[in-house]
Amino acid sequence: KQEVTQIPAALSVPEGENLVLNCSFTDSAIYNLQWFRQDPGKGLTSLLLIQSSQREQTSGRLNASLDKSSGRSTLYIAASQPGDSATYLCAVWGGHTSGTYKYIFGTGTRLKVLA
Amino acid sequence: DAGVIQSPRHEVTEMGQEVTLRCKPISGHDYLFWYRQTMMRGLELLIYFNNNVPIDDSGMPEDRFSAKMPNASFSTLKIQPSEPRDSAVYFCASSAGPSIRPTNEKLFFGSGTQLSVL
Repeated sequence: KQEVTQIPAALSVPEGENLVLNCSFTDSAIYNLQWFRQDPGKGLTSLLLIQSSQREQTSGRLNASLDKSSGRSTLYIAASQPGDSATYLCAVWGGHTSGTYKYIFGTGTRLKVLA
Repeated sequence: DAGVIQSPRHEVTEMGQEVTLRCKPISGHDYLFWYRQTMMRGLELLIYFNNNVPIDDSGMPEDRFSAKMPNASFSTLKIQPSEPRDSAVYFCASSAGPSIRPTNEKLFFGSGTQLSVL
């Protein structure tokens, strides 16, 4: 059974720092992985999607990497800003061989960037 | 596109009452998902539909929960009777689904329904 873990659960950093959020999954047979952002009282917004055949994806100040063999993904945020404060979740899908189109979510990292 | 639309945004009800949550997915998306989010259990998939057909309802907690998708633009999640432990945020999400275009696989979430059962 796939399990997704995100450490740390919470993180507080001063503005301008580069930071790394971690996501670990127990079953390396994934098809893709998505990183989401959730603001308080809001839904989730997909930030980046990495296919299992890819090593990384970039969008602006965000860079997500994937090491499928070790069951890890990292989300790198460059030059953090107070507006980056949110909860970040990762989710994995096992692909067609899993027999279901079900994403398994981690519990998230709550990020606070201090001005 | 207006995105995934959920209603109501907030629902407060008393134990034993029927609750109906509504969702309008993004036009053209073939997959619709119902999730529940709590502090204790995080984000859990309750059920998902493909082309209006329920595919996997293994996450539906009890027979008190039911979901329907009568057409491609509307879905409901019903709880009858409701209990205090059903209090949570319920999200609907949609996706174009597995595709040769990876971006089609992105999940798009609604703003959620905050349910409080007293």
